[in-house]
Parts: sequence; C-alpha cells; structure tokens
Amino acid sequence: SQQGEEDPQALSIQEGENATMNCSYKTSINNLQWYRQNSGRGLVHLILIRSNEREKHSGRLRVTLDTSKKSSSLLITASRAADTASYFCATVTGNQFYFGTGTSLTVIP
Amino acid sequence: NAGVTQTPKFQVLKTGQSMTLQCAQDMNHEYMSWYRQDPGMGLRLIHYSVGAGITDQGEVPNGYNVSRSTTEDFPLRLLSAAPSQTSVYFCASSYPAPSGANVLTFGAGSRLTVL
Repeated sequence: SQQGEEDPQALSIQEGENATMNCSYKTSINNLQWYRQNSGRGLVHLILIRSNEREKHSGRLRVTLDTSKKSSSLLITASRAADTASYFCATVTGNQFYFGTGTSLTVIP
Repeated sequence: NAGVTQTPKFQVLKTGQSMTLQCAQDMNHEYMSWYRQDPGMGLRLIHYSVGAGITDQGEVPNGYNVSRSTTEDFPLRLLSAAPSQTSVYFCASSYPAPSGANVLTFGAGSRLTVL
C-alpha cells in the first residue's frame, strides 16, 4: 500500500492548546496536502506543501515537510472546539492522491 | 455552484446485486476520482479520470467499473456487490491551486451496505 500513516490516531486537548499531528509516507511525492473531515461529511482541503518546500503557514495552520525522512507535521495553534474533526494527510504522485489513516482530534471546550 | 454531488446518500444491497453510484460536478474539473473509506483504513483510491474518455485504476479497483463520457459525470458501477464492498464512498474532483498543484473537492459521500 502507498498509504501514509498519521500519528497519533487520536488526540484530545483543551481549547486554546496547540495540536500537532504527524504523517509518514513511503514514496517520492510531488506535494503533500492536509484535509479535514467533520463527522459524516466529505473531506475539505486545508493546506498544500510542495516537495521543494519545508514549511507553509495558513492562518492557525503550520505544516512542515521533511522529504529526507518522508514525514510531515500539521500544527493547529490556539485550538477551538470547532476544530474537532479527523485530519488526513494526502501524498500526491502524478495523478494519484494517497491518503493516510487519519488523526481524530477532539478539542474540549 | 453545487460542487460535487453524489447520489444516493444511502443504499442497501444484497450480495450479487448491481448498482451505480452517481457523481456529478459543475466546476468544469478535468480530474475526477472515487475513494472508499473504511474504519482504520483511511481513504483508498478506486479509480480516477483525467478527462472525458480517460480512466485509470487506483489502489483497489477490483469489483468496480467506471466510465467518463462527459466532463461533468463519473459514475462508479458495482457489477456484483459483495459484503466486502460495504463502505462509505467519496467522489472528488480536482482544481489547480494557486501553486499549480491539484487540490481535491469532495462530495458528501454515499454509504453502501451489502448484506
């Protein structure tokens, strides 16, 4: 399988804290993307980082990429209850997107 | 814009029955794809298409057929349903982000149960 793996599988934090989730993958990539899924819904794109980039920011999101270790991390700062969702990394190679197994984030108000 | 529309939202089939999951997008996206989501497995790519008349297999294509006769529609066919195909199915289409890379827009999903 070319799927990535996120860790932790589940994360529970207090509102206002930062949340960090990690993604490891197996193959060379064009870019890596993070998506969010609220319960029972489709996935929504959050942020993209290209293979020649090391760090990207978007609002409260910060993503890093280490292609030598084939890993990425997503940091959500100052979390809110509305951030409760599952987060997936997706590696993109050519025309194919490969999703990880996801991190379930619970933010406690 | 409706985005990506999937029908039906829920379906129960008996083993051996056939059905088609419909996917339509009104964003003029060239790239469309189907995924299945199973607990603990994340999303796995079934089939994808880079344009009308062009389809290709993903990670888990067995038991599924697709066709792409128009830019807007990308139906997924189960010819003889099996309990192992019980899953939530997502259709996604792709637009180029400002960086030039493709980013997926997902439908709301279709939950299929095969008895």
